[in-house]
Amino acid sequence: EPEVTQTPSHQVTQMGQEVILRCVPISNHLYFYWYRQILGQKVEFLVSFYNNEISEKSEIFDDQFSVERPDGSNFTLKIRSTKLEDSAMYFCASSLGRPNTEAFFGQGTRLTVV
Amino acid sequence: GESVGLHLPTLSVQEGDNSIINCAYSNSASDYFIWYKQESGKGPQFIIDIRSNMDKRQGQRVTVLLNKTVKHLSLQIAATQPGDSAVYFCAEPTGFQKLVFGTGTRLLVSP
Repeated sequence: EPEVTQTPSHQVTQMGQEVILRCVPISNHLYFYWYRQILGQKVEFLVSFYNNEISEKSEIFDDQFSVERPDGSNFTLKIRSTKLEDSAMYFCASSLGRPNTEAFFGQGTRLTVV
Repeated sequence: GESVGLHLPTLSVQEGDNSIINCAYSNSASDYFIWYKQESGKGPQFIIDIRSNMDKRQGQRVTVLLNKTVKHLSLQIAATQPGDSAVYFCAEPTGFQKLVFGTGTRLLVSP
């Protein structure tokens, strides 16, 4: 069964450093997303991406965040200067179409900022 | 507004019992809802969805009920198994396919 894969599974970084979280969405999907989940809290939307551009972003997704689809398979989330409060699970998701089609989630990257 | 919430943070059941997990929403114009299951250390996994033109939808051992009058939906799991232990979220797509998740209900199944 096709799946969304994310690397690394766990990333530890020092405050102020840049991190790049990587995702390989399901190959025929057209819509890509990043969500985050702070420990013990609900899953929060960060950004959606379609046709090589951001289609929607939340207030969490400030200038420190950026997304990129550098080639036909990868979808990345970059945090330029990490803060302690960026520590969370980051989930990538993809869906085939819209509206209202199932989004498949990856296993997540646990980001720990120290 | 965008608001999807759950009534109970934790639900404990015995193996073999039926489980009912509830969810309330605030936007009467909402027309599609999804239930996700999240096991420890994993990403959310799609369980079942329902559109607003339906009151009930059944899957394998799961049933979702939608009551548009009181803006409430529920997930029923028949013959709950230990493998069903997880956090369950209702979610609502809004805007450009953005999912708004509720806070989740942790289902604990004891043998």
